[in-house]
Amino acid sequence: DAGITQSPRHKVTETGTPVTLRCHQTENHRYMYWYRQDPGHGLRLIHYSYGVKDTDKGEVSDGYSVSRSKTEDFLLTLESATSSQTSVYFCAIKGEGGNNEQFFGPGTRLTVL
Amino acid sequence: AQSVSQHNHHVILSEAASLELGCNYSYGGTVNLFWYVQYPGQHLQLLLKYFSGDPLVKGIKGFEAEFIKSKFSFNLRKPSVQWSDTAEYFCAVNGDSWGKLQFGAGTQVVVTP
Repeated sequence: DAGITQSPRHKVTETGTPVTLRCHQTENHRYMYWYRQDPGHGLRLIHYSYGVKDTDKGEVSDGYSVSRSKTEDFLLTLESATSSQTSVYFCAIKGEGGNNEQFFGPGTRLTVL
Repeated sequence: AQSVSQHNHHVILSEAASLELGCNYSYGGTVNLFWYVQYPGQHLQLLLKYFSGDPLVKGIKGFEAEFIKSKFSFNLRKPSVQWSDTAEYFCAVNGDSWGKLQFGAGTQVVVTP
């Protein structure tokens, strides 16, 4: 398995609270991604990063922000959690070059009450 | 808008039956194509990928897929399924230099003994 960990693995929080999810990699890959997985939608891209301090929005970025101050860490923050953000969040990494696939972390199950 | 569609949301079949899952995409230009599998409670794992060359690609666990450019399709097949193939299967497409993936909604496959 690729060296990707996510923390926490499970979290229950209340509406309106800020939440930060962490993705940590040991592969020194340049590209990192955050997706959310919801039934009937597959995985949808929230934000991605193509280097330290280089990030951009994905398809469903509203209500989320990210930071990448080190190659190995990519943080996803829900600024004020809402029930619609209850989901499973997956981080992924990809190596340099066109012929590389993404490797996924174990996921974080987030419940917003 | 770019999209990926998987034709079947749920498939139930018996062991030893053949499996074919459809995937169509709408993208202009060159694409990279993937099939990922998610076993219950686990993260996504790559089954196979197509970047270029032979349009018939073979992956792990006896799976294969055929890229038909004229039909914008990348269908997944397995001649004889096992109970352990019970999982959710996702088709994904990448059409840009950032490696971002657009996923289909997924197909839940249940193999009965």
